[in-house]
Amino acid sequence: DGGITQSPKYLFRKEGQNVTLSCEQNLNHDAMYWYRQDPGQGLRLIYYSQIVNDFQKGDIAEGYSVSREKKESFPLTVTSAQKNPTAFYLCASSIWGRPGTGELFFGEGSRLTVL
Amino acid sequence: RKEVEQDPGPFNVPEGATVAFNCTYSNSASQSFFWYRQDCRKEPKLLMSVYSSGNEDGRFTAQLNRASQYISLLIRDSKLSDSATYLCVVNGMNSGYSTLTFGKGTMLLVSP
Repeated sequence: DGGITQSPKYLFRKEGQNVTLSCEQNLNHDAMYWYRQDPGQGLRLIYYSQIVNDFQKGDIAEGYSVSREKKESFPLTVTSAQKNPTAFYLCASSIWGRPGTGELFFGEGSRLTVL
Repeated sequence: RKEVEQDPGPFNVPEGATVAFNCTYSNSASQSFFWYRQDCRKEPKLLMSVYSSGNEDGRFTAQLNRASQYISLLIRDSKLSDSATYLCVVNGMNSGYSTLTFGKGTMLLVSP
């Protein structure tokens, strides 16, 4: 079955540690995205990538980094520079290379808690 | 004006009721509009796209008013399973690329 797989689903981290969230898709989608959701808030775009080896900052990129070495994979690193990293992180992909013109398919999310 | 603004919730309705959600958007150049549904602690899933002429899918009807920059979602004959948060989603521009912007969502609670 095609879909998006995020791991881990739950993650606990100590302050000052970097953590990498995995996102893999087998939908053959060009575009991939990372969103962050806080309680009672909408999804906010962290980074997105339309093609391999290219990515763009979203609205809240500070303290995060990404890579897109393969079409299927778009890992997100939450660095120690991110001041408030506890959140629900959602990875998504879309069919066309032009995001915003098609449906987003989401993974099940990764819930990060900083202790 | 916020990019995508939705009715604050929650909406508490009895089974069988009709409920309407409203959404306004600030970018007049937006071309694509969607309603997503998000269950508690789950990922959002596309409920329906919104077309200029309005569209219906079973008990769900979506309307778009470009002049007023307004989108609506009507749910008829509410079911318990409709309880969720409904997200209004609009495309916009970010550093020259088109991306989707999400509203904060409106929570719907359908009770027996």
